[in-house]
Parts: sequence; structure tokens; C-alpha cells
Amino acid sequence: DVVLTQTPPTLSATIGQSVSISCRSSQSLLHSNGNTYLHWLLQRPGQSPQLLIYLVSRLESGVPNRFSGSGSGTDFTLKISGVEAEDLGVYYCVQGTHAPWTFGGGTKLELK
Amino acid sequence: EVQLQESGPGLVKPSQSLSLTCSVTGYSITSNYWGWIRKFPGNKMEWMGYISYSGSTSYNPSLKSRISITRDTSKNQFFLQLNSVTTEDTATYYCARWAGMRYVMDAWGQGASVTVSS
Repeated sequence: DVVLTQTPPTLSATIGQSVSISCRSSQSLLHSNGNTYLHWLLQRPGQSPQLLIYLVSRLESGVPNRFSGSGSGTDFTLKISGVEAEDLGVYYCVQGTHAPWTFGGGTKLELK
Repeated sequence: EVQLQESGPGLVKPSQSLSLTCSVTGYSITSNYWGWIRKFPGNKMEWMGYISYSGSTSYNPSLKSRISITRDTSKNQFFLQLNSVTTEDTATYYCARWAGMRYVMDAWGQGASVTVSS
């Protein structure tokens, strides 16, 4: 199975600070069809996960544009440009290029 | 707007079967893929499997001998059965929809907490 390693496991930020989360894959996530099925989810406290970014860098409808994704191959990054209070929770990267689907271990974003 | 809602027992005894239902409104399960993901105590998430618009299934090999996902299109519901459960199957179980071309989970249920204990 593909192993996704997220760092850091915990992130402390102040409101307005910009932060980044890394997701590294044990193998390339570039599919033979040319797509890279690496996505980012946010699970706020007490809520179910929600999709933020799909296919590496595409913003899900309704998600604020302070969220952005980048990367290719095995290295990917989620950036939040100006953390807001509603951004607190656990962030996951997830891949669907190689069966079975696998998730990163999660990054908990806390207020400093 | 699509909505998914899990239901089922919150407590299951070891060696028994865990059965959950996902009821879908606002979208037909004869389109897209529909499946199950679980979150263990802590942060670990695991994809369990899904059923396609045509009824074909795909399962996580780690569960393949114990899992079954089925559906009732007349009720717009799909189901999870996990056999021979142990305490390690204690988790919150989510049903989700996979968006078509994007091939990503874009809609989730609120989750069903299941504890395996005697």
C-alpha cells in the first residue's frame, strides 16, 4: 500500500499566520491517465471530513481561496494563507492513484 | 444537495457482525461510487471499500475476507457488513460519495460511532 507521511503532526498558529502542511508519498501518485489523485480533507472538531482540495491543486466549490495545494510526484503541500479560527481541525491528505485508497496520518491545526 | 446518513447499532459484541446503513437523499446511488471509510480512535483513517453505480464492488485487501458492501436502489441505500469483528474494529464509520471524474470523496455522512465490546 502507498504510505502517505504528513508533517508536522501538530501545527500551532496564530490568526492571520500562513502555514504549510507537507504530504510525502512512498511512490509517485501520477496515474497513467495523467491525473494525480492526491486530495486534501479537513475534519473540524465534531464534524465529518470535508473536501478542500482535489487533484493536487483544485479548490473545491465553496472553499475559501486562502487554501491552496501544490506538488507533484511524491511531494505535496497544502498552504493556508492567513489562518482563521474556522480552519482549526485535523487535515488529511488522501490518495486514490493506487489501490487501496490511503490516508496520511493527519495534521492537527491548533491556535497558539 | 446530496445528504448521507449512517445508521446502525453503536455496540457490537466481539466475533459478531457489524451492520450499517447509509441512506442517501438528493442524489441517486445508481450514479457515482459510494463507500465506507472509518476513523479509529486517534487520527488514523482507513478506506474500507465502495460499490459502483453498476453494483460492482472494490474492497480494501486488509478487509477482503470480512467485508461486504451491498445496496438497495429502490430505497437509495447502501450497506456495510463487517464480519467477525474484534475490539480493533472500534471506530467511527463514515459513508461517502465519490465524485465522478474527479474521483474523490466529495460528500460524507455525519459518522456512526461503533464500539466492539462484550
